[in-house]
Amino acid sequence: NAGVTQTPKFRVLKTGQSMTLLCAQDMNHEYMYWYRQDPGMGLRLIHYSVGEGTTAKGEVPDGYNVSRLKKQNFLLGLESAAPSQTSVYFCASSYFGPQGYEQYFGPGTRLTVT
Amino acid sequence: ILNVEQSPQSLHVQEGDSTNFTCSFPSSNFYALHWYRWETAKSPEALFVMTLNGDEKKKGRISATLNTKEGYSYLYIKGSQPEDSATYLCAFSAGGGADGLTFGKGTHLIIQP
Repeated sequence: NAGVTQTPKFRVLKTGQSMTLLCAQDMNHEYMYWYRQDPGMGLRLIHYSVGEGTTAKGEVPDGYNVSRLKKQNFLLGLESAAPSQTSVYFCASSYFGPQGYEQYFGPGTRLTVT
Repeated sequence: ILNVEQSPQSLHVQEGDSTNFTCSFPSSNFYALHWYRWETAKSPEALFVMTLNGDEKKKGRISATLNTKEGYSYLYIKGSQPEDSATYLCAFSAGGGADGLTFGKGTHLIIQP
């Protein structure tokens, strides 16, 4: 049981390049989330999904797109990377269980945009 | 934009001492208050999820309380150990609970032997 995994772990992009971050979970969780972590800030929600085929915007969605074609995967896309998107990106998944909507986090992807 | 505030930002505590820190959050449209523990180079791990006013939860030497009417939660650590060194995050969820969390900036706890 791998839990939540993220690919890649590190990436360096040049301004204007595109990339996709992959999040996968093997816990059959219904809900998935993408957050970004910046120095001096709390984790901020980018986009989330409450089920396969559905996505919604979080607090900081601009410059990102997401897709949830399969229940176990949640993809985060950057179409034209900007230096302001340099950050550590965390994926999380959750379900409604005894602890409510407790979230399970992946290991993070460190992205640098030059 | 919802505001979740944590204090203090950082804390140094002697091994064996007890400590506590605070999370304040909006008292309207409340669904749940989460506490996470985040060790360096690891992922945040859930400690508690609390939904009811007056909730108290305990896991070993760590416990938490919740006051939804005034919008605050306390996390307590009894008899601090070096392995308690971590950043403790609190997060608020509104509405139905599945729509993602609003996190505070965390309290960075260092236990000194």
